[in-house]
Amino acid sequence: SQTIHQWPATLVQPVGSPLSLECTVEGTSNPNLYWYRQAAGRGLQLLFYSVGIGQISSEVPQNLSASRPQDRQFILSSKKLLLSDSGFYLCAWTVGGGGGANVLTFGAGSRLTVL
Amino acid sequence: GENVEQHPSTLSVQEGDSAVIKCTYSDSASNYFPWYKQELGKGPQLIIDIRSNVGEKKDQRIAVTLNKTAKHFSLHITETQPEDSAVYFCAASIGYKLSFGAGTTVTVRA
Repeated sequence: SQTIHQWPATLVQPVGSPLSLECTVEGTSNPNLYWYRQAAGRGLQLLFYSVGIGQISSEVPQNLSASRPQDRQFILSSKKLLLSDSGFYLCAWTVGGGGGANVLTFGAGSRLTVL
Repeated sequence: GENVEQHPSTLSVQEGDSAVIKCTYSDSASNYFPWYKQELGKGPQLIIDIRSNVGEKKDQRIAVTLNKTAKHFSLHITETQPEDSAVYFCAASIGYKLSFGAGTTVTVRA
């Protein structure tokens, strides 16, 4: 069966510090991978998605970047965090290929607090 | 891009009563409509989904209806229980991207 792992689960970082959140998927090949952000009491905002190694699509101009160095690894990064980067970050995956319309499965989330 | 609106933002129901959440979408090309339940501090979990070639789908106490002409879909929870208390999100999919509604916080009163 497929599983998705995301870490760290919680993170408290000072303004201006770097960020790295990591996500891996097991039990499947060539998944579509996604990073969403959820601000407190808000909905889910799509940040990045990837349909293959090295292929990153950005949905919102921001202080963050994403990379996919391996087939089942997706990394969310920032060089200098802002207060507004605080939130709950969710990695997700779907079966690759076919143009979408597949079940999206989320990880447990990473809660980032920028002070 | 796709815009999904969800109502109400909060919903309080008596245990045993029904709960209904409604969503509208903007792009007629959307073809997949899942519903997610999120408990505090956890990632959203898929509870039911419907595709554009189906008008209604039911799974035990949960049902979803889709009106493609009007571009709206709804989640119905019958015989609500305390464990149904959570935040519920609707979503609509075009291709690789899933756009979410703002969420509905459901509270089931004992």
